[in-house]
Amino acid sequence: AQKITQTQPGMFVQEKEAVTLDCTYDTSDPSYGLFWYKQPSSGEMIFLIYQGSYDQQNATEGRYSLNFQKARKSANLVISASQLGDSAMYFCAMREVPSGNTPLVFGKGTRLSVIA
Amino acid sequence: DGGITQSPKYLFRKEGQNVTLSCEQNLNHDAMYWYRQDPGQGLRLIYYSQIVNDFQKGDIAEGYSVSREKKESFPLTVTSAQKNPTAFYLCASSMTGDNEQFFGPGTRLTVL
Repeated sequence: AQKITQTQPGMFVQEKEAVTLDCTYDTSDPSYGLFWYKQPSSGEMIFLIYQGSYDQQNATEGRYSLNFQKARKSANLVISASQLGDSAMYFCAMREVPSGNTPLVFGKGTRLSVIA
Repeated sequence: DGGITQSPKYLFRKEGQNVTLSCEQNLNHDAMYWYRQDPGQGLRLIYYSQIVNDFQKGDIAEGYSVSREKKESFPLTVTSAQKNPTAFYLCASSMTGDNEQFFGPGTRLTVL
């Protein structure tokens, strides 16, 4: 069975600094996809970044990058130059089939607070 | 604009009543999903459907029912058998071959 672990319930970061949110996963499937979502206080889930298990390079999307270490089964999210609007819950998720119509398995999330 | 709509945003019901949460998408996505979120927790899968007229149970399906009669609609019924139904419910959809799963704005259900 797949499992996602996010060990940081809450994190604080100074505005304009970088922050890393940890995520480790467990799966026996050789092919899988890893996701990060942001959930502001409004409740909507905002897709941030995706990494496929066979992707050779770490994914990047603007200020977001995914530090993918396959051997260690970790997929940490790095947010550079934090902004006040980055304050939210962040969820790591995975699914066995990298792309396709299968459900996501989510971690419990990390609450990020950006301090001015 | 294409997207997923969930209605209502807030829903209050008395204990013992069934209630149906609406989820509609105009993205022409094949698959739709229902997740439940409790305070301080991640999302857990209730049901999902990969094609019309077919659906599968998720990890916490007990006390819930769904239907998928149309591609764009996937309503969730919370029955009186669900022991602790107060939660935030999120509907999502995805297209075959795409990575991303798109989410609706959610419905916050409170059972009094």
